[in-house]
Amino acid sequence: NSKVIQTPRYLVKGQGQKAKMRCIPEKGHPVVFWYQQNKNNEFKFLINFQNQEVLQQIDMTEKRFSAECPSNSPCSLEIQSSEAGDSALYLCASSLSVERLFFGHGTKLSVL
Amino acid sequence: AQSVTQPDARVTVSEGASLQLRCKYSYSGTPYLFWYVQYPRQGLQLLLKYYSGDPVVQGVNGFEAEFIKSNSSFHLRKASVHWSDSAVYFCAVSAAGNYKYVFGAGTRLKVIA
Repeated sequence: NSKVIQTPRYLVKGQGQKAKMRCIPEKGHPVVFWYQQNKNNEFKFLINFQNQEVLQQIDMTEKRFSAECPSNSPCSLEIQSSEAGDSALYLCASSLSVERLFFGHGTKLSVL
Repeated sequence: AQSVTQPDARVTVSEGASLQLRCKYSYSGTPYLFWYVQYPRQGLQLLLKYYSGDPVVQGVNGFEAEFIKSNSSFHLRKASVHWSDSAVYFCAVSAAGNYKYVFGAGTRLKVIA
């Protein structure tokens, strides 16, 4: 069983509101990923970190999305001004190496 | 850049029947290939992975996959499915030694009695 902990499981926001979700990666895993999974099960990579530093991110993340992975604190993903199109399952994953990702259960965001 | 195609959005099989879920990838370099499964309201779990060596890899719960380089395929197979195998299955590819993973759109498997 994965030990990647994501909170909250469900998040409901109005349009324009901030939405923040957290992730505690598996202990000892230096790499953390955030993915957005839409209702068609399609994955969109958002950002990843290695030892608190950003490795890769997409343009969308740079505009309304912000993320951080401070040492000794949960990682977080925040949407500054939620839009209906942001409704999705946000998955956090951590990794010790390139050989495998360990996923959390996700945060299901609904933007009304 | 890598890409993954899972041509079957939905597959329905009878319990006890054999299964093949198709996956084709596009990547010019050395791929790392994965199959993950997602059960309802859960995150993804790794079924199996391939980096090199024997092109047929064994995974958990009786699943296996075969890497066919000439066909750029990594199809998932199981000899006899169980109702508990009903889930969404994702094929993924990453560049060797790179943390950039690309996932397919998934195949929803339904196992019927």
